[in-house]
Amino acid sequence: KAGVTQTPRYLIKTRGQQVTLSCSPISGHRSVSWYQQTPGQGLQFLFEYFSETQRNKGNFPGRFSGRQFSNSRSEMNVSTLELGDSALYLCASSSSTIQGDSTEAFFGQGTRLTVV
Amino acid sequence: SQQGEEDPQALSIQEGENATMNCSYKTSINNLQWYRQNSGRGLVHLILIRSNEREKHSGRLRVTLDTSKKSSSLLITASRAADTASYFCATPDIKAAGNKLTFGGGTRVLVKP
Repeated sequence: KAGVTQTPRYLIKTRGQQVTLSCSPISGHRSVSWYQQTPGQGLQFLFEYFSETQRNKGNFPGRFSGRQFSNSRSEMNVSTLELGDSALYLCASSSSTIQGDSTEAFFGQGTRLTVV
Repeated sequence: SQQGEEDPQALSIQEGENATMNCSYKTSINNLQWYRQNSGRGLVHLILIRSNEREKHSGRLRVTLDTSKKSSSLLITASRAADTASYFCATPDIKAAGNKLTFGGGTRVLVKP
């Protein structure tokens, strides 16, 4: 079974630009979550999508958005990039069901975003 | 804010020794999960322990959970150089359906050959 795939692996953007990151979950997983990891704040939850609907949201500004497609692939977008958005962005998929059970998460290798 | 706080923040041991790290959390949980992260890479799930379990084993890993103290520990026995990584505990938000995980700050483990 293929794991979680994130693209691109590395990205350099300029302040003010926008960026889109992609995540392909494990086949059969309908839950996809996004996390931001920085040295200062650690791992922080951005949002979770289940069956094309945002099920949970973290405490990030509206510049951070996401979506999920019918094949469970997910994208996250960050608009008007700031230097502080430089981070490792991790995507995770799980077999969590519509009942909302919490299960183990399978993470991708991440996208390293650098904002200059 | 972080639900889980790990202790110690860093740990250096010799190959073959045991490594123990602790995690404390603040609110009620239905399960607690441990993950490993090799430098700059994705997280790997190690163990999930449910709130009605006190201890769980997986290979060289042993996890305990004390819900009365809101704490968990991860023990790695007979450590190897390949165990060098950061280890995180994570708890799902009991008020939210699904997989909204809150991570601790992590313990950096260095296993010297």
